[in-house]
Amino acid sequence: ETGVTQTPRHLVMGMTNKKSLKCEQHLGHNAMYWYKQSAKKPLELMFVYNFKEQTENNSVPSRFSPECPNSSHLFLHLHTLQPEDSALYLCASSQRGAGETQYFGPGTRLLVL
Amino acid sequence: AQKITQTQPGMFVQEKEAVTLDCTYDTSDPSYGLFWYKQPSSGEMIFLIYQGSYDQQNATEGRYSLNFQKARKSANLVISASQLGDSAMYFCAAGGDRGSTLGRLYFGRGTQLTVWP
Repeated sequence: ETGVTQTPRHLVMGMTNKKSLKCEQHLGHNAMYWYKQSAKKPLELMFVYNFKEQTENNSVPSRFSPECPNSSHLFLHLHTLQPEDSALYLCASSQRGAGETQYFGPGTRLLVL
Repeated sequence: AQKITQTQPGMFVQEKEAVTLDCTYDTSDPSYGLFWYKQPSSGEMIFLIYQGSYDQQNATEGRYSLNFQKARKSANLVISASQLGDSAMYFCAAGGDRGSTLGRLYFGRGTQLTVWP
């Protein structure tokens, strides 16, 4: 595997379900990000992790819970979501301090019923 | 914070022609980086090109070039010899310059490019 991978690619869940999104980067980067992309809205930064430490939480509701066990893996745990949370969730990684270009995964398309 | 404006919601270009996608930015940072990404319908954001605010020359990457006009705060993307596979959403973004540790990008709303035969 190369680059940034995300699983699952598609997810349908009910409002009472609990699910997790997974992101893995194979680029040796030390920073990882979660973004939300809704229709008709700009890309929204949700969380930033730098060397496994969360450095930014962009006022995200607590029903989204990130986890970064190491520099290569990032999770987004979902519970009691709302229909308006339906969106494309993108993960990205970068090498902090050596270039800020972020490389993105293919995204998870989430539908909350 | 930085603000990115892409005024063209949609653009059309014929195959093999060149097209310019507009981007203006607003920042008070003395040093910054400008990025362009391509997002096909599959959803993945693909990095295309980077321009540092102190770079003297416009960045080029194959058929992509960045027309950087610092005084006007514009960073337009030029795609030469358009191909059908160029049809996608294009996003302009701004963030820290290379070597910085700001760690976030600010994105515009995007321009949908359609290439027709």
